[in-house]
Amino acid sequence: GAVVSQHPSRVICKSGTSVKIECRSLDFQATTMFWYRQFPKQSLMLMATSNEGSKATYEQGVEKDKFLINHASLTLSTLTVTSAHPEDSSFYICSAREQYQGEAFFGQGTRLTVV
Amino acid sequence: AQSVTQLDSHVSVSEGTPVLLRCNYSSSYSPSLFWYVQHPNKGLQLLLKYTSAATLVKGINGFEAEFKKSETSFHLTKPSAHMSDAAEYFCVVNPARILTGGGNKLTFGTGTQLKVEL
Repeated sequence: GAVVSQHPSRVICKSGTSVKIECRSLDFQATTMFWYRQFPKQSLMLMATSNEGSKATYEQGVEKDKFLINHASLTLSTLTVTSAHPEDSSFYICSAREQYQGEAFFGQGTRLTVV
Repeated sequence: AQSVTQLDSHVSVSEGTPVLLRCNYSSSYSPSLFWYVQHPNKGLQLLLKYTSAATLVKGINGFEAEFKKSETSFHLTKPSAHMSDAAEYFCVVNPARILTGGGNKLTFGTGTQLKVEL
């Protein structure tokens, strides 16, 4: 299957700083990428849908100014957690879908810890 | 509207015995259905997918699932569990057929934690 690479896999940052997470589709062009947040022992919660070259569509309750998403190319989307606080600590996962394909391919996830 | 219900939050089996993870769905459209597996602190890996071809779908690692429209079910099975199968499993539904584009949101079940004992 197609490969989605997410980086970093683990990051620890101080409160008030910003963290950028990258999501790359390595062997296909992803017109749509999704960003999820996963709390311990829970399912994935969709945060936003990112379309190449346009603004991301955020789910209700997700602060767009806090979680900045950029999808500048067909193979790269980034999620920046701005002014991070301990409550932002979580597991973040991206996924990408190739145009005209149904399944989504997932990155390895990023464990963010804000101290 | 669409939804997915995974009937068991936890399933425990002995190594070498069959696995059954249950999933029921509802969808206003003819759905595509998927099973993903997640190991701790990892992303999700696609096990198998149903896209309106054969109703019995074979996936990786010996898993298979049967799409039953009359029962709106897509249960995941494996004849013989292995220790390495211990993980979280998600049933996922997409309302669109595979050829109609990739912009639709996926709906995830709440997950089933599979435990495999010696």
